[in-house]
Amino acid sequence: GAVVSQHPSRVICKSGTSVKIECRSLDFQATTMFWYRQFPKQSLMLMATSNEGSKATYEQGVEKDKFLINHASLTLSTLTVTSAHPEDSSFYICSARAPLGGNTIYFGEGSWLTVV
Amino acid sequence: AQSVTQLGSHVSVSEGALVLLRCNYSSSVPPYLFWYVQYPNQGLQLLLKYTTGATLVKGINGFEAEFKKSETSFHLTKPSAHMSDAAEYFCAVSDKTDSSYKLIFGSGTRLLVRP
Repeated sequence: GAVVSQHPSRVICKSGTSVKIECRSLDFQATTMFWYRQFPKQSLMLMATSNEGSKATYEQGVEKDKFLINHASLTLSTLTVTSAHPEDSSFYICSARAPLGGNTIYFGEGSWLTVV
Repeated sequence: AQSVTQLGSHVSVSEGALVLLRCNYSSSVPPYLFWYVQYPNQGLQLLLKYTTGATLVKGINGFEAEFKKSETSFHLTKPSAHMSDAAEYFCAVSDKTDSSYKLIFGSGTRLLVRP
């Protein structure tokens, strides 16, 4: 089946620094990728929709200058958390749409971000 | 805007018992409907989806769900629970008119399976 890979799976960074999380579709081209944030024991909250070659569409309340999303190729989207603060600590999950697979959405394994 | 409600944040069943996880959507036009499972510290795995056609959808691991337009529901069932079914289950919807196919998730239901 289709595979979406996220890297790193876990990252710890110091407050004030920036951290980048990568999301790759390994065996299909994904024109659209999505970034979600999940707090412990809570649901997934959609942060933004990432379209290859264009600007991401952010959901209401998500700071686009803080959560930079780049979708430079059909298989890679990146989320950069800029000037991270402890409250940014969370589980970040990406997903990718497979247009040739009935538009099925496949999820990555998630990335734990801890800001200390 | 699309929304989805999952009744019951926790459901506990005995091994071998019927599993029923509830999901209701709120939109005048039925959306695409999905059930995902999440094991601890992992991403989401698609169990099944309904887009069109037969309203009873069969998925992986013995799960199935039935789309009922009159009840705006898409409940997930499994005849006999296994210990390995213990996980978090999310119902999700996608607006048919939204070309991005983005998913909106319910709050999730944690399934506990007692030996």
